[in-house]
Parts: sequence; structure tokens; C-alpha cells
Amino acid sequence: AQSVSQHNHHVILSEAASLELGCNYSYGGTVNLFWYVQYPGQHLQLLLKYFSGDPLVKGIKGFEAEFIKSKFSFNLRKPSVQWSDTAEYFCAVNGDGNTGKLIFGQGTTLQVKP
Amino acid sequence: GAGVSQSPSNKVTEKGKDVELRCDPISGHTALYWYRQSLGQGLEFLIYFQGNSAPDKSGLPSDRFSAERTGGSVSTLTIQRTQQEDSAVYLCASTTAGRAQETQYFGPGTRLLVL
Repeated sequence: AQSVSQHNHHVILSEAASLELGCNYSYGGTVNLFWYVQYPGQHLQLLLKYFSGDPLVKGIKGFEAEFIKSKFSFNLRKPSVQWSDTAEYFCAVNGDGNTGKLIFGQGTTLQVKP
Repeated sequence: GAGVSQSPSNKVTEKGKDVELRCDPISGHTALYWYRQSLGQGLEFLIYFQGNSAPDKSGLPSDRFSAERTGGSVSTLTIQRTQQEDSAVYLCASTTAGRAQETQYFGPGTRLLVL
């Protein structure tokens, strides 16, 4: 069965610090990988996704993620965080090409101090 | 509408009662998903509808949970004989065609509290 593990449950950073959130998945086949974000009081929305091609993908608001197949990882990065990046971040995997259903990690709460 | 809508936004019920949660997907989207977000847990897949195909119910936690989608649009998730462990935020998402690479558009969720 597919599973997703996010190692950091709660991260606190100061503005301008660099961010890296870990995500590992377990699935032996072809996967599609996603990072979703939920800002306070808002809907869950897509940050970025990978399904083929360049393993370094760029998303909204300066975020990027790198797919490393050998490590089953899809870590999220941002070189310099802002207070407005305070949110909950979810990594998700889809290996079921027939349905699109997502398997999510437990989420990481990011708090950025001004 | 412009996005996925869900109602009610909050629901408080007593243990043993039945509840119905509604999801209205983005117009034209043929695929609809239900997820549940429990305290301290990530989002877990519940059920998936795609057009007129039989739904994928593999994520429903018990036979107290059921869902239907009428006319290929609005969906209702029903929880019978609610239990305290059913307390969670129930999220609905839709996509154009249910393909694996598509972005899922989420609604605001229904926060269910079972007393």
C-alpha cells in the first residue's frame, strides 16, 4: 500500500530563513507527487506537482521541490521564507492512474516569525 | 460556481444521530473526491466518483459511511449512527476528469463534531 511520511510536524522559522520540508513515500511504481498548502482560514490549494520530466519543479510563491527517485523523496524548499508562508503543508502521492485519489502525509505546520 | 462549495460549514451532532454533508463541485468537473482530516492525522481518502462509473469506496472506514452523487454533480456524504471518532473536517475536491496528474480543487470543508 502507498504511504507518505512527512518528518517535520511543526517547524518554526524566522523570516528570511531557508526552508526544507521532508517528504518520503512508499510506492514502487510510477508516481505523481504533489505539495498542497492550507493558509489560515483558506482552502487547501496546490503548491506544485511532479509527474514527469525535470525532477526539480517550481511552484507558486517561490517554492520548489525535487523528486529523487532513488530516495523515494519529494522535499519542498524555499530559499527565504516570509511571514505570509505561515501555513500547513501537505505532501501527497498518487500512484493509481485510474482514479487520481491522493494519499497524504500528516502535514507540517510552518510558523514564520516576523 | 467559482469553486467547490460545501455545506454546512459546521455541524454539531449527538452520538448516534445521522448526518448528511453536501458538496457542490466546480461546474463541468466530472470527478469528485471526499477526504477526511482528523485531529492529529493527515487527510485520508474516503470515496471517489467519476462520471457514471461505479464509485471507488475503498477508503470508507465503515459501513456507517455512504455517499452518493446525483446527476453527476452534487454529492452527499452520509454518516449513520455517528460516533465520537467521526469528529473531523470532511473535505470535498473535484477535478476535470479524474486523471492522476490533475490538480484537485478543494472546498472549505465541513467541520463535524460528535458529542
